[in-house]
Amino acid sequence: KQEVTQIPAALSVPEGENLVLNCSFTDSAIYNLQWFRQDPGKGLTSLLLIQSSQREQTSGRLNASLDKSSGRSTLYIAASQPGDSATYLCAAYNFNKFYFGSGTKLNVKP
Amino acid sequence: GAVVSQHPSRVICKSGTSVKIECRSLDFQATTMFWYRQFPKQSLMLMATSNEGSKATYEQGVEKDKFLINHASLTLSTLTVTSAHPEDSSFYICSAARPGLAGLTNTGELFFGEGSRLTVL
Repeated sequence: KQEVTQIPAALSVPEGENLVLNCSFTDSAIYNLQWFRQDPGKGLTSLLLIQSSQREQTSGRLNASLDKSSGRSTLYIAASQPGDSATYLCAAYNFNKFYFGSGTKLNVKP
Repeated sequence: GAVVSQHPSRVICKSGTSVKIECRSLDFQATTMFWYRQFPKQSLMLMATSNEGSKATYEQGVEKDKFLINHASLTLSTLTVTSAHPEDSSFYICSAARPGLAGLTNTGELFFGEGSRLTVL
């Protein structure tokens, strides 16, 4: 069974900092890995999707990388802003299911 | 705009009544949808996988008769919480996987509804 872990569980940074969120998975035979953002009391918003054949994806200030062999993905946020404050979750897809990490709660202080 | 629409966003009901939550895929045909439950400050717990035209696949520990799932069309899946009790109060979220290459779910992207907050009095 796939297990997905996210470190750290919570992160507080001052505005403007670049930061990295980590996601690790135990079974490397994934089809894709996806990063989401969840605001309190809301559903999840898709940020980036990395197919198993890809190594990274970029969208604006976000960059996600994938290293299947080591079972790791990172989400890099450049020049963080208070509006980036949310919980970030990663999900690995295999065995016909999406396996979620427990998330990293990010607080960007003005 | 929203790719997956979930309704209602909030519902309050009395103990013993049934509540239906709808999940609609607006931009694509979804042969598979997923239902999750989320407790405060916790991650998502997969309840069941909803398959169009066939029975849903439930995760271990999820009561089929309690949480009825119907996926009657390629754009609509419903979750009915039957005989709701206060312990069923939670945040329920649906998602749909947009087919990717060659129409395969496993290369597609997962989109979520906005969630439904259920409070059972």
